[in-house]
Amino acid sequence: QVQLVQSGAEVKKPGASVKVSCKASGYTFSSSDVNWVRQATGQGLEWMGWMNPNTGDTGYAQKFQGRVTMTRNTSISLAYMELSSLRSEDTAVYFCARGPRGQSYLDSWGQGTLVTVSS
Amino acid sequence: QSVLTQPPSMSAAPGQNVTISCSGSSSNVGNNYVSWYQYLPGTAPKLLIYDTSKRPSGIPDRFTGSTSGTSATLGITGLQTGDEADYYCGTWDNSLSAGVFGGGTKLTVL
Repeated sequence: QVQLVQSGAEVKKPGASVKVSCKASGYTFSSSDVNWVRQATGQGLEWMGWMNPNTGDTGYAQKFQGRVTMTRNTSISLAYMELSSLRSEDTAVYFCARGPRGQSYLDSWGQGTLVTVSS
Repeated sequence: QSVLTQPPSMSAAPGQNVTISCSGSSSNVGNNYVSWYQYLPGTAPKLLIYDTSKRPSGIPDRFTGSTSGTSATLGITGLQTGDEADYYCGTWDNSLSAGVFGGGTKLTVL
């Protein structure tokens, strides 16, 4: 079955960067896009961007342009999301999610990674 | 502020039916498929409805989706205590070239 397993919780200081990984299994990694979505405490889901693991093409929400980078290692079916210049408002649970190519829905999600930004 | 507008909370008794609305615009709901997710904090969101009205395998037919113009609706019939969760609508926004979600609706099953 499709599984997305994310890396563990992180604690970072303001101004630092964080890199979250997402290990895919149960399907052909390059055949579907990987999206990243976050949820800050008490807030709703927020879409951050997508990546095509086959080509490396990416698309980011305007809010995160210049601060987020989505990459992959296709040989080991890993996707990464790196967020830089962290601030306290970036404290959130970050999810990776599979998106069938050309579709807007997300059919499988990782378990989430808590990133805490605190001095 | 979320691009898509949902009621923050709703409540109903077990066995009752509810509908959760998701209001958008012609750049998103009005011209793209809508999906719905069930989310319990601390767990992974679950896809309930995709392509506006289709259910993934394993989702009971108590859950239905529809749209009218720039609004989408999630219907849940025969509420169960296990349906108590946060529900989010989502779609693509052509103007933003980005995925967008509603602010979420917290459903309480009394």
